[in-house]
Order: sequence, then C-alpha cells, then structure tokens
Amino acid sequence: GQNIDQPTEMTATEGAIVQINCTYQTSGFNGLFWYQQHAGEAPTFLSYNVLDGLEEKGRFSSFLSRSKGYSYLLLKELQMKDSASYLCAVRDLSGNDYKLSFGAGTTVTVRA
Amino acid sequence: DTAVSQTPKYLVTQMGNDKSIKCEQNLGHDTMYWYKQDSKKFLKIMFSYNNKELIINETVPNRFSPKSPDKAHLNLHINSLELGDSAVYFCASSQEAGANVLTFGAGSRLTVL
Repeated sequence: GQNIDQPTEMTATEGAIVQINCTYQTSGFNGLFWYQQHAGEAPTFLSYNVLDGLEEKGRFSSFLSRSKGYSYLLLKELQMKDSASYLCAVRDLSGNDYKLSFGAGTTVTVRA
Repeated sequence: DTAVSQTPKYLVTQMGNDKSIKCEQNLGHDTMYWYKQDSKKFLKIMFSYNNKELIINETVPNRFSPKSPDKAHLNLHINSLELGDSAVYFCASSQEAGANVLTFGAGSRLTVL
C-alpha cells in the first residue's frame, strides 16, 4: 500500500507562483504523476517523473526526490483557468502489474 | 470524437436496485480501468483490464462486477446498491498495462437514495 499526502487547499494571485508538495510512502515505487481536475470534470494528465530531478513543461514543472519520498508541482504565471484540483499519484507494483494510486488532491484557487 | 466515453453521466436510483455503467474508448488502448471518487475526492482504483483480461481487482464488494466484451469496452454492473455506493465513477484507459498515462472519461455520478 501507500500513503500519499498533499495539502488540501492553496490560494494564490494571478501571475504568481504556487508550489504544491506531495509526500508518499510506498514499497514498489515506479513513478509519480500529477493530474489536474477542474470541478465536475475528468482528471487530465500534467506530468510524470520516474527519476530524480525537475521536469519542465511550459508553465508547469514537477520535481521528484525518490530518497525523500517527495515531489512538488510548480505552477508559474498563474492564470484564472489554473483554478482546479491537482492530484498527486504514485505508480507502484500491485501483484503482477502496476497500479496508479491518487492522493486526495490540492484545490488551488487563483484570485485576480 | 470523444476518446473515453461513459454512460450514463448521471444516475439516481433506490437502494437495492441493480445498475450498469458503460464505458468505451476509441484510442486503441489495451488497458481500461474503473476508478471511484468519493465525496472526499479520493480517486481509488477498483478494477483494471488488459486486452479483456482482469489484471487488477482491488478490495471491492462482490456486488461490483466488471465486464469487458472487447478491449475497447469495460462495463461496470452493480447489484443491490447501497447508500455508500454514491460516488462519481470514472472509466479510464492507457496504451498498455502498467498504469502509464491515463485518459479518463467524464465520469458517471451515481446517487443512491
């Protein structure tokens, strides 16, 4: 099994930067994913880290430290449309296959 | 045009009834999943099928029975519905087994009265 912890809520101003932290404990770690979910909609894939370090994708970056069981998602130049829930997900071994397990999500509210 | 489509989008029913949710993907993916998102927003895996074969079956009551007639379809049948089954059920698919990048459907909100 795994424990995935992330803050429940964060608020930031348009144009600012927000960092969402995620810590996890798992026995068969094989990758960390970030998904974005707008209210009432499906989660959509944002980023994926399997090795330590920073992955940059436009305004969004994700960092992973496997030894610390820690990741963060960095959102730069915040826009109103970035108001959503951000889900940290860990892929680990389940029986003979891998499964993706999600944290409860961090609701980010962007204010004008 | 929709990549992963599930029906119905909303389902309101009485306790004790049996209901089904259907899911279809046109992405040519090999693997499909059912996830349950409860009121606290936890997204929890229920089942995973790869090429019609069950590969992940989490601790889910026997009242839940998935069926995959082909690799593009994964349906979920629920018997004897209970209040605690109220949730949003998401279907998803990935190109191959191994829980790589998932493409989710829009969700089916089930309310049990």
